[in-house]
Amino acid sequence: EVQLVESGGGLVQPGGSLRLSCAVSGFIFSSYNMNWVRQAPGKGLEWVSYISGSSSTIYYADSVRGRFTISRDNAKNSLYLQMNSLRDQDTAVYYCARGHSTGGYRLDDWGQGTLVTVSS
Amino acid sequence: DIQMTQSPSSLSASVGDRVTITCRASQNIGSSLNWYQQKPGKAPKFLIYGASSLQSGVPSRFSGSGSGTDFTLTISSLQPEDFATYYCQQSYSTPPTFGQGTKVEIK
Repeated sequence: EVQLVESGGGLVQPGGSLRLSCAVSGFIFSSYNMNWVRQAPGKGLEWVSYISGSSSTIYYADSVRGRFTISRDNAKNSLYLQMNSLRDQDTAVYYCARGHSTGGYRLDDWGQGTLVTVSS
Repeated sequence: DIQMTQSPSSLSASVGDRVTITCRASQNIGSSLNWYQQKPGKAPKFLIYGASSLQSGVPSRFSGSGSGTDFTLTISSLQPEDFATYYCQQSYSTPPTFGQGTKVEIK
């Protein structure tokens, strides 16, 4: 069974940093690209970042580029999102999502999400 | 970026009704269109890929159609567990973008 479990969310002040983690199981992690997607309270879904299985290809949304860093450790079956210079508008539930084995942005499986609140 | 526009934003329907949700892309995306279902407080669930292919385990009352810029999600006979918010998403180009969502409520 595919499982994705996010952690690391919490309350942080504007300008602060936070590191999210996503622990996965039930599939060969290194064979799949991974994504972070967020959802502000009461709002829709917003794609944040993508990383390929080998970490050779990385993309970011314009809204986070230069502030967020996606990474993965295939030996630990874990995905990460380092978030710096956080802003009020970064407040959201952050989901990790597994891409399809053929690549692209078809998001087959999602974690339960972790809430990040940016507030003073 | 490709803009995705869903209509309606919300709808009220009864169990057994046929429901259709429309998604329009701001440019031609071929069949690179996916649909997700999200219930309150839960993660999105993947339903349909390639505009019309059902993900394994998704009930056959769900169907998708369309290509180019215009797409539809149809629920042939609405069930109590189908009341949720539905999102379309284009996977044609980076960044992948979602529609604003369509909330299906109980009439």
